Amino acid sequence: QQQVKQSPQSLIVQKGGISIINCAYENTAFDYFPWYQQFPGKGPALLIAIRPDVSEKKEGRFTISFNKSAKQFSLHIMDSQPGDSATYFCAASMNSGYSTLTFGKGTMLLVSP
Amino acid sequence: GAVVSQHPSRVICKSGTSVKIECRSLDFQATTMFWYRQFPKQSLMLMATSNEGSKATYEQGVEKDKFLINHASLTLSTLTVTSAHPEDSSFYICSALGQGRYEQYFGPGTRLTVT
Repeated sequence: QQQVKQSPQSLIVQKGGISIINCAYENTAFDYFPWYQQFPGKGPALLIAIRPDVSEKKEGRFTISFNKSAKQFSLHIMDSQPGDSATYFCAASMNSGYSTLTFGKGTMLLVSP
Repeated sequence: GAVVSQHPSRVICKSGTSVKIECRSLDFQATTMFWYRQFPKQSLMLMATSNEGSKATYEQGVEKDKFLINHASLTLSTLTVTSAHPEDSSFYICSALGQGRYEQYFGPGTRLTVT
């Protein structure tokens, strides 16, 4: 049973556009939701994370929107750049993050010049 | 963010031999370290969780006698793939959780190829 569903599987966005990646979870015990960015041949890098007590968190061009009632959260990348082309993973964990991460299947983002 | 290193970054070994991969937290003490495996174009699959000074907890389906994990200090965990076979070829990634922190930081990964 996949506990975190991520969509789309791949995404092509023009430079300057907005990239939107969505995730849905099933386990209501999840209380920490990070996003990771991974370039080919590299380990994932923590991008931004949110807790369910807020509905939105913004860091630079990256924003997480969180809908607790719908059990959904999304990553928005504003003014997308070719350097943002990477695979993005959403994840969820319990105990305020002090536990294992459950990952989505990933979204391959390509930002065309 | 915190820095986690892995060594080696790439390793090629012959079938039947053992390979050790090191994971180090460079600027913080990692009370918990995680080992993942990732196949091409797939997500990360958790293999095991290790806490410093105690035995690792393995995920269902992961052979603990094949994938030996040691977390002897607060900055070092090792994964040893014993009697490696071609099907063990994969990208192995560790992550570390610092004391009092909830962000997991990942290492750069180790590409294992078994011939």
